[in-house]
Amino acid sequence: DAGVTQSPTHLIKTRGQQVTLRCSPKSGHDTVSWYQQALGQGPQFIFQYYEEEERQRGNFPDRFSGHQFPNYSSELNVNALLLGDSALYLCASSFRPGVDSPLHFGNGTRLTVT
Amino acid sequence: AQSVSQHNHHVILSEAASLELGCNYSYGGTVNLFWYVQYPGQHLQLLLKYFSGDPLVKGIKGFEAEFIKSKFSFNLRKPSVQWSDTAEYFCAVTPMYSGGGADGLTFGKGTHLIIQP
Repeated sequence: DAGVTQSPTHLIKTRGQQVTLRCSPKSGHDTVSWYQQALGQGPQFIFQYYEEEERQRGNFPDRFSGHQFPNYSSELNVNALLLGDSALYLCASSFRPGVDSPLHFGNGTRLTVT
Repeated sequence: AQSVSQHNHHVILSEAASLELGCNYSYGGTVNLFWYVQYPGQHLQLLLKYFSGDPLVKGIKGFEAEFIKSKFSFNLRKPSVQWSDTAEYFCAVTPMYSGGGADGLTFGKGTHLIIQP
């Protein structure tokens, strides 16, 4: 039973570029959340997708956008990259939204912006 | 907006020692509380959670946490730690809204726990 898979594992981009990160949820899960974890910090909630719609959003600018596909997989897009966007990006999946649905996290994508 | 404070960023203990990791949150309403753990080289996983009821909750691997509403605290405890408990521990909170949950978790900065054999 595959857990949450994220790709790529590492990525290096230049300031001003755009990046797309991908996430496949755990089998049987239909809800995907994205978190940003800067070095030495806890994860910060970016947004959550369910039924192909953004259901909830954290305090992140519009440069951060996402998408969920009919197979429940998801993408995170970041435009006009800043040095401060360098972080570990975590995807978490669950069955249905709601805090009583345990989150299953992937190993993350390490993004470095130079 | 809610916030979470974890008092100890690095903790070093010997095997068999007792553990208590502090967590305080700030939010004026009812909350759901979580502890997550990240073992070296592994993904974040849920250790335990509190939604309502008995304020003393038990999780996996012998961990427990106590919710003290008057102190806005949710401290994690284990009576006797093992070398395999070496990991990063995160406390997290989300407000409990009426009509269903808001799911985005607010995490603390984490506590790096090292258990010496």
